[in-house]
Amino acid sequence: DIQMTQFPSTLSASVGDRVTITCRASQSISSWLAWYQQKPGKAPKLLIYKASSLESGVPSRFSGSGSGTEFTLTISSLQPDDFATYYCQQYNSYLLTFGGGTKVEIK
Amino acid sequence: QLQLQESGPGLVKPSETLSLTCTVSGGSISSSSYYWGWIRQPPGKGLEWIGSIYYSGSTYYNPSLKSRVTISVDTSKNQFSLKLSSVTAADTAVFYCARRRTYGGNLDAFDIWGQGTMVTVSS
Repeated sequence: DIQMTQFPSTLSASVGDRVTITCRASQSISSWLAWYQQKPGKAPKLLIYKASSLESGVPSRFSGSGSGTEFTLTISSLQPDDFATYYCQQYNSYLLTFGGGTKVEIK
Repeated sequence: QLQLQESGPGLVKPSETLSLTCTVSGGSISSSSYYWGWIRQPPGKGLEWIGSIYYSGSTYYNPSLKSRVTISVDTSKNQFSLKLSSVTAADTAVFYCARRRTYGGNLDAFDIWGQGTMVTVSS
């Protein structure tokens, strides 16, 4: 199995802050990585696919980067609607695995 | 636009089989561009992929659950289903169905999700 490790697990930030979340794979996954946003009681929402491609309709303040084993999700200027939990997911292997999640809280 | 809706019992007894159905509306499950999957999330925890199916019936499962999981598709009803046998309290979770698209001929991320359905395993 490819293990996905996200950090930090919790992040406190203020509106307008630049926020970065890191996801590390236990082996190379090329660019086969997605990022999702999940709000309480709701299904995950796709933000980024293939490590750095912005899903249609997602605000441009979200961006993804990385390849191989190290990836980042950046929110350039945190907005009130962005307080949520974020998950990375690798799809290099047929066995799909998710990171443990990063909860972005209001500081 | 395309929507997915999970349905099934919200309470299952230990040792029994959990059965859920995902109904696809606003599009065809028989499109060659997509796979269809199940993902679960125990209360307060992270996401776990259970398995996926193609409209042809081709399946692949998470090895950790493979001995207990069956995913099937009914193209005439535009539905796919999940059966998880011999459930225990550890299987209590929100279960999501989702669409997995292809990208440049390769399988990509889950781009559309159902709202999820909570299933509790308890006597």
